[in-house]
Amino acid sequence: DGGITQSPKYLFRKEGQNVTLSCEQNLNHDAMYWYRQDPGQGLRLIYYSQIVNDFQKGDIAEGYSVSREKKESFPLTVTSAQKNPTAFYLCATTAPESSYNEQFFGPGTRLTVL
Amino acid sequence: GQNIDQPTEMTATEGAIVQINCTYQTSGFNGLFWYQQHAGEAPTFLSYNVLDGLEEKGRFSSFLSRSKGYSYLLLKELQMKDSASYLCAGLDSNYQLIWGAGTKLIIKP
Repeated sequence: DGGITQSPKYLFRKEGQNVTLSCEQNLNHDAMYWYRQDPGQGLRLIYYSQIVNDFQKGDIAEGYSVSREKKESFPLTVTSAQKNPTAFYLCATTAPESSYNEQFFGPGTRLTVL
Repeated sequence: GQNIDQPTEMTATEGAIVQINCTYQTSGFNGLFWYQQHAGEAPTFLSYNVLDGLEEKGRFSSFLSRSKGYSYLLLKELQMKDSASYLCAGLDSNYQLIWGAGTKLIIKP
């Protein structure tokens, strides 16, 4: 089965702790993205990566970090510097053959910081 | 700046037709997407328009007017399962997606 996996579905952490959200894909897609979604707001881009060992900041990168050591994996770390980390986090990929950047989404991780 | 505007919420009746509007301002334009998102789930692709006109896919159609910076999603023969948020997103000159806040569609029996 080809697809994008994000785990866990729900994650709870105490304030001040770093937490890493996983995103794995077996679609052989080069580009991967992390978005944050808050109630009543559109998706906001945190980081994206077009190829292995390279990534760029999106619109709201502060307080987050990523790595892209393998094509299949693009983990996101929410650090204690992120002031309001409670949100729904979505990972996405785009197909290399896509001429218009259609994005495929994982099921998302809902992070709650207590 | 770049901006996507769409209504926050709409209500329609099962079996009816509803039109969800979206206006956009992007730096350059490489197309407009519509995605459907059920509560607590990931968005799923509905349509992509880059040329003016109407694209029909079963019960769903999407329209684009580039001169007016305007698009709409038309849903026919509404079913209860169509209750969801509908996200409009514009693709800018750098091929980055600019997302609207989404329109929550409530279907009543």
